[in-house]
Amino acid sequence: SQTIHQWPATLVQPVGSPLSLECTVEGTSNPNLYWYRQAAGRGLQLLFYSVGIGQISSEVPQNLSASRPQDRQFILSSKKLLLSDSGFYLCAWSAGSGTDTQYFGPGTRLTVL
Amino acid sequence: EDQVTQSPEALRLQEGESSSLNCSYTVSGLRGLFWYRQDPGKGPEFLFTLYSAGEEKEKERLKATLTKKESFLHITAPKPEDSATYLCAVSRSNDYKLSFGAGTTVTVRA
Repeated sequence: SQTIHQWPATLVQPVGSPLSLECTVEGTSNPNLYWYRQAAGRGLQLLFYSVGIGQISSEVPQNLSASRPQDRQFILSSKKLLLSDSGFYLCAWSAGSGTDTQYFGPGTRLTVL
Repeated sequence: EDQVTQSPEALRLQEGESSSLNCSYTVSGLRGLFWYRQDPGKGPEFLFTLYSAGEEKEKERLKATLTKKESFLHITAPKPEDSATYLCAVSRSNDYKLSFGAGTTVTVRA
């Protein structure tokens, strides 16, 4: 069966510091991968998605970037965090190839102070 | 632009009191409509995918239905463990991406 991992689970960072959040998927090959942010009381906002290694599409201009160095690894980064980057970050995967059901990881709670 | 609107924002139910959540959508070329359950501090858990008007799916006390403009999630005789935020999302026929609504937070009191 497939499993998706995210770490860290929680993170408190000062403004201006760098960020690296990691997501890995087990039990599947060549998944589509997604990064979302969820602000309190709001829906999920898609940040990035990837259909293959090195292929990243950005949905919103922002202070963040994403990379996919391996087939089942997706990384969300920032060089300098802003207060507005605080939120709940979720990674998701789907099987691709016409299958659009997405499965989510446990999330990372990021607080920027 | 795709729009997904969920109502009500919050729903408080007594245990055993059945009710329905609404998800209305505007999307060019709907491929699928998705329901997820999200517990506080956790990632969304997939419940259902509906692909065509008239389709229905059930899981325990939950039943999802789809029309050309909206979907309903019916909760029959809810229990306190059904308390969660329920999210609705849509995908387009030529796209992998999902557009989410803001969710309905359901609280079931014993």
